[in-house]
Amino acid sequence: GEDVEQSLFLSVREGDSSVINCTYTDSSSTYLYWYKQEPGAGLQLLTYIFSNMDMKQDQRLTVLLNKKDKHLSLRIADTQTGDSAIYFCAESSGGSNYKLTFGKGTLLTVNP
Amino acid sequence: GAGVSQTPSNKVTEKGKYVELRCDPISGHTALYWYRQSLGQGPEFLIYFQGTGAADDSGLPNDRFFAVRPEGSVSTLKIQRTERGDSAVYLCASSLYSREAFFGQGTRLTVV
Repeated sequence: GEDVEQSLFLSVREGDSSVINCTYTDSSSTYLYWYKQEPGAGLQLLTYIFSNMDMKQDQRLTVLLNKKDKHLSLRIADTQTGDSAIYFCAESSGGSNYKLTFGKGTLLTVNP
Repeated sequence: GAGVSQTPSNKVTEKGKYVELRCDPISGHTALYWYRQSLGQGPEFLIYFQGTGAADDSGLPNDRFFAVRPEGSVSTLKIQRTERGDSAVYLCASSLYSREAFFGQGTRLTVV
């Protein structure tokens, strides 16, 4: 079945860039997503990329997709303390576009 | 409403009891999803509704779990004969387009 892997922890200093990495196994993945979860809160959709794209930029967020290596990354520029949260990578497959498969999440800690 | 609303936010129940978890989707969203998030894990798909019908219930773990959406809006996830292993955060999401699912804050279910 599908599998999504992420490193569990990342710690950065305020003002630095953060890069969160994700790998997935399903070669038929259609969309790849990044969600943010703050303590006690639901999931917030940050951005998503269609599988035929290499890059997507949205303000401080840059998503890079290497489809050959099945590798997805999220870069957060000028990381702020408010960016501290758990970031989930997820994918959906063409046959069941609605069904998201999530990684275990990366806890981003931003130190002042 | 402005977002997906889930009630209750917390539910503590005794082993063997029956529980119902409610989800109010974003107005106008035809698709509704239930996910379950165990501690330290990413959300796992349970069921997907398109309108009133369950289009995919392949993620329901066993026949103690059932969900309905009788009028194509509010949905209820029902768990019979609860077990301690059912303890988790149950997340509901809704979407107009399958690639943009918006999540509620979840119901934290604790079975004691």
